Amino acid sequence: DIAITQSPSSVAVSVGETVTLSCKSSQSLLYSENNKDYLGWYQQKPGQTPKPLIYWATNRHTGVPDRFTGSGSGTDFTLIISSVQAEDLADYYCEQYFVYPLTFGSGTKLEIK
Amino acid sequence: EVQLVESGGGLVQPGASLKLSCVASGFTFSDYWMSWVRQTPGKTMEWIGDIKYDGSYTNYAPSLKNRFTISRDNAKSTLYLQMSNVRSEDTATYYCTIGVGYFDYWGQGVMVTVSS
Repeated sequence: DIAITQSPSSVAVSVGETVTLSCKSSQSLLYSENNKDYLGWYQQKPGQTPKPLIYWATNRHTGVPDRFTGSGSGTDFTLIISSVQAEDLADYYCEQYFVYPLTFGSGTKLEIK
Repeated sequence: EVQLVESGGGLVQPGASLKLSCVASGFTFSDYWMSWVRQTPGKTMEWIGDIKYDGSYTNYAPSLKNRFTISRDNAKSTLYLQMSNVRSEDTATYYCTIGVGYFDYWGQGVMVTVSS
């Protein structure tokens, strides 16, 4: 199975700051035939269902604010949240869908100072 | 509007069986692969498996494939998860999702608690 490691496990930032969340895969998620990384990000606010944020590592889901940016390729990926807002308080998960079984990281809890 | 509504959860004893349902609306159910994902009380997310749009093919997490079965009834726009010989570690919120791989839409989830 592909192991997904997220760091940090939690981070606290002030409103307006920028935060970088890391997601590392034990194997490359890049498919050379289409040059796509099979990596997604989800946001789960307290008491809510997970919501899709980013697919193919860098593409924002419909309606996601442009302060959320996905980057990286191969085995190393990041989610950058610029100008953090209070409403961004949530757990963030990355997921690989390159091979079965699909696997998730353990998540990063974003707290607001 | 896409809606996925899970049901069938609750308190169940170890070793028992349970069948979860997910009624879909707002899209053409029979055109899409569907999946189940669960989240433990400790927030760990685990993919359970998926099923092809016509129900002819399924994939499962290896650790679950001997006890869990995914099926669907396209006439009823309903996805199912049959759980057998449940264990305490199956305690989780179970989500029905659209797609295979990247999950565009999630249901609100249904909680299953395995305890004697």
